[in-house]
Amino acid sequence: GDSVTQMEGPVTLSEEAFLTINCTYTATGYPSLFWYVQYPGEGLQLLLKATKADDKGSNKGFEATYRKETTSFHLEKGSVQVSDSAVYFCALVGRGGTSYGKLTFGQGTILTVHP
Amino acid sequence: EAQVTQNPRYLITVTGKKLTVTCSQNMNHEYMSWYRQDPGLGLRQIYYSMNVEVTDKGDVPEGYKVSRKEKRNFPLILESPSPNQTSLYFCASRLGTSGFTDTQYFGPGTRLTVL
Repeated sequence: GDSVTQMEGPVTLSEEAFLTINCTYTATGYPSLFWYVQYPGEGLQLLLKATKADDKGSNKGFEATYRKETTSFHLEKGSVQVSDSAVYFCALVGRGGTSYGKLTFGQGTILTVHP
Repeated sequence: EAQVTQNPRYLITVTGKKLTVTCSQNMNHEYMSWYRQDPGLGLRQIYYSMNVEVTDKGDVPEGYKVSRKEKRNFPLILESPSPNQTSLYFCASRLGTSGFTDTQYFGPGTRLTVL
């Protein structure tokens, strides 16, 4: 079945540092790709998405580009803030077979930003 | 305000005592699902529903039941809870059944402890 692999965490950065969280996937066909964020004590909320190859999703200074050739969707932000501290989940919605319409998550990456 | 609500937010119970976690959405969404979140495993789907009276198993359905008698409600039932069901549970909904472009909305979570 489909799967998503995220870089090992936790990630600890100083404010204004550059952030990259790696995400690669395995899927049948061409899935839609998402990043969700979970702030402490809350449910997940959509951060950004991309539905086809070479699409770039962006929101709140975060960006990710759908790379079909490397099956990747890495999350980046040029200058993180303390308020970005959260758990970040890479996810996909499959288009093939039993994965059709199913949202599959990576294991999550904990980000802590210090002042 | 568009939202997914869950109750209770916190629950401590004992092995074998039947419980129900309620979930309701006010967005007239077709698709609803339940996930459990465990450290290092991300979110795993328990059950999902594509419409009223239509439910299906996700990746980890053992020990759980669901029903979808009304479009807005999707309760999760644990008929005989066991300690390995101690987890953080999320209900979610989205507009369409394919999900390729839809945002999935999550409830705030239910922290369940089974002693």
